[in-house]
Formats: sequence, structure tokens, C-alpha cells
Amino acid sequence: ETGVTQTPRHLVMGMTNKKSLKCEQHLGHNAMYWYKQSAKKPLELMFVYNFKEQTENNSVPSRFSPECPNSSHLFLHLHTLQPEDSALYLCASSQDRADGPQHFGDGTRLSIL
Amino acid sequence: AQSVTQLGSHVSVSEGALVLLRCNYSSSVPPYLFWYVQYPNQGLQLLLKYTTGATLVKGINGFEAEFKKSETSFHLTKPSAHMSDAAEYFCAVSDAPGGSYIPTFGRGTSLIVHP
Repeated sequence: ETGVTQTPRHLVMGMTNKKSLKCEQHLGHNAMYWYKQSAKKPLELMFVYNFKEQTENNSVPSRFSPECPNSSHLFLHLHTLQPEDSALYLCASSQDRADGPQHFGDGTRLSIL
Repeated sequence: AQSVTQLGSHVSVSEGALVLLRCNYSSSVPPYLFWYVQYPNQGLQLLLKYTTGATLVKGINGFEAEFKKSETSFHLTKPSAHMSDAAEYFCAVSDAPGGSYIPTFGRGTSLIVHP
């Protein structure tokens, strides 16, 4: 039990589909993050939310649309993705303090056909 | 701005041998430092962290790391490798109070353990 739950664990979709990734934490954290992890590439920070407000968007293409309705839930809406978007998408949460470690979910393995 | 360098994308050791994974950082303020481990098909898990106080930090699974300010390093060690230690290891840095709470991660080091 990591405290951060991601669903689904695996997702296969065509380039014209629309799907959503879900992340949920019950650790009382107020910051939530989306990361992209591709093979042979470093961990890429995509978005950061703090108290439901987006504070970071690292030049992510608009085909990725995040949503944070409350401090416990985070979504990543996907539409018209490209093959290069196939990757492991990790959600994390933390306190908004530099000494607070991040807690990660087990990720969603996304494959774009 | 902060950055992390992990020397060696792969480290290979024999079971029972010393594990040494290197991490160097740069930060404009005193850093907070972290090591995470990622097993296949899982997310990252915290191994240990340094914030203040004792510079030798002990973590889970027999790992430890030493903060050396003069060398801007935070290398991870374990005296005796076990097969179950095979995983990806990430070093991360965030700024002490006044700086960003969002950590910067290194590129990761894959630890391979041979029988």
C-alpha cells in the first residue's frame, strides 16, 4: 500500500481516442504531480498542483490536460495522443515543503497504437 | 537552480559485494537530498533522506548515504548486495526553506546484481 493509487495500471489506446488517468491520495498532502517516464530518458515533470491550483506546466503539449478537483484527486485527460507518448505515467504527492519526500503511485503504463 | 548528476547509468556488482551509487548535486542554498528506489512495474519509493543534522543517513534495506558538503556529494552505499537490490535508483535534491519544494531528480542508475 503506497498511499497513492493510480488507475488504470495499463492502458492501450488509439491515437484518436480520449481517455483519462486517475490518481488518488489519502496522505493529507497538498501537492500533487504528474511525471512521464520513458525508456532510456530521465524522469520528466509534467504538471504540479498545490491546493488544487496548477503551479507548474513544463511545456506539456495540449493533448495532455490535467485536472485537480481537490487535494486528494488528480486526473490526466488524454486526447489525440502520438506514438511517442507511450510511457509510464507516474503520479506523486507530497507536502509543499522541501524536506518532505514524494510518495509515488505505481503508474499507468500507456501504449499508443 | 539545482541539478543532480548520477555517474553511471548502470552499475553491476556480484551478490555480497559492496554497492556504491554516486550522486553529485549543485544547489544555490543548503540542499535537502533524497534517494529513491524503483522496482520493475512499480513507482519510486523513498530509501532515505538528508535534511539537517547527522551527515550519515541510514535508510531501509541496509542502505546508507553520507552528505559531504565539501564534495557536493550524497553517495549511496550498502555493504553487501543482495539479488533483491536489483532496481533503478534515483537521487533527488530540493532547496532548503526559502527555495522550491519541487525536487530535481537525477537520470537514475540501474543496479544489476550477479549471482
